[in-house]
Amino acid sequence: EVQLLEFGGDLVQPGGSLRLSCAASGFTFSSYAMTWVRQVPGKGLEWVSLISAGSSTYYANSVKGRFTISRDDSKSTLYLQMNRLRAEDTGVYYCAKGPSWQWLVLDSWGQGTLVTVSS
Amino acid sequence: DIQMTQSPSTLSASVGDRVTITCRASQSISSWLAWYQQKPGKAPNLLIYKASTLQSGVPSRFSGSGSGTEFTLTISSLQPDDFATYYCQQYESNSCRFGQGTKLEIK
Repeated sequence: EVQLLEFGGDLVQPGGSLRLSCAASGFTFSSYAMTWVRQVPGKGLEWVSLISAGSSTYYANSVKGRFTISRDDSKSTLYLQMNRLRAEDTGVYYCAKGPSWQWLVLDSWGQGTLVTVSS
Repeated sequence: DIQMTQSPSTLSASVGDRVTITCRASQSISSWLAWYQQKPGKAPNLLIYKASTLQSGVPSRFSGSGSGTEFTLTISSLQPDDFATYYCQQYESNSCRFGQGTKLEIK
């Protein structure tokens, strides 16, 4: 059974930094692209970033230059380093995966971790 | 950027009703569209991909159709467990965009 467990959400001041982690199990982590999606509480879903199995990275325009996605296949863990945080980055951050044939059809999701950016 | 617009934003219906949710893309996306169901406090759950392919384990009362710029999600006979928020998602090789969501409420 696929399991994705996010960690690292916290309250942080505007301009601050935070690193999220997502521990994966139940599948061969190194073979799959992984994605971060966020959701402002009570609002819709927003794609944040994608990393391929070969570690190519892609970002939404809203986070490009501030966030960095990475992976450690030896630990089956996905990361999101978030710098220069803004109030509008507040939300629940989910990690998710899709099948090997279509990275962004997201068939498995974690439970999410809450990031609050506020002074 | 491709914009995804869902309608309606809120839909009130009763158990047993047939309901349809529409998703429109600002430009053609072929059949690269998925639908998700989300319940309060939970992560989204994939229902349909490639516009009309039912994800394994999803009840057959859910169906999807469309191509190009207009897509629909239909629930043939609403069950109590179906009251939730539904999102469409346009996806391509290395980015995606979600619609704003449709909240399906009990009438």
